[in-house]
Amino acid sequence: SQQGEEDPQALSIQEGENATMNCSYKTSINNLQWYRQNSGRGLVHLILIRSNEREKHSGRLRVTLDTSKKSSSLLITASRAADTASYFCATGGDTDKLIFGTGTRLQVFP
Amino acid sequence: DAGVIQSPRHEVTEMGQEVTLRCKPISGHNSLFWYRQTMMRGLELLIYFNNNVPIDDSGMPEDRFSAKMPNASFSTLKIQPSEPRDSAVYFCASRAQGGGTQYFGPGTRLLVL
Repeated sequence: SQQGEEDPQALSIQEGENATMNCSYKTSINNLQWYRQNSGRGLVHLILIRSNEREKHSGRLRVTLDTSKKSSSLLITASRAADTASYFCATGGDTDKLIFGTGTRLQVFP
Repeated sequence: DAGVIQSPRHEVTEMGQEVTLRCKPISGHNSLFWYRQTMMRGLELLIYFNNNVPIDDSGMPEDRFSAKMPNASFSTLKIQPSEPRDSAVYFCASRAQGGGTQYFGPGTRLLVL
């Protein structure tokens, strides 16, 4: 079963704009991860944030985590057409399992 | 590193046939995960192994599905007999010991007619 619900389900923006995707989850976690999936491809890991962290950066990516609200956001700044993909959050708990969210489909127009 | 390797990349079969999907994890990784992705249900974990031992198979839909990992460099997911509702993309992922990141293969797109 899916733990994460992502919002919005789909997002269309112009190149250069920022894209923000949100993820909400239900149970306690040890970490939260974001993955990207290009059409027809496997998932690629983007960033991992631990439950004791509130914000993390990686290049044009910024992830925040609010464990009190059980939510996370992924911000992509200065988006490019190549950022077009589906983005998934995944929560990790006490086991080795990751529970993936429903995903946000991002379309970046040149 | 070649990454996680899956074969075949595409499989079309008829209902009732046996289907075997294969996965070679990244060398040195000790955890292996099998997922299924469909439009309706999203990405679901089917089963995962640690050090070649199945740890959690609660996601395996029914007895028609079975998975093995005979050694650290190879795993199979078998569906017998296959049904049209098994049509999906099946992903294999591996992870290093103590690591949080999972590395996904390109997937096998299965169509059962």
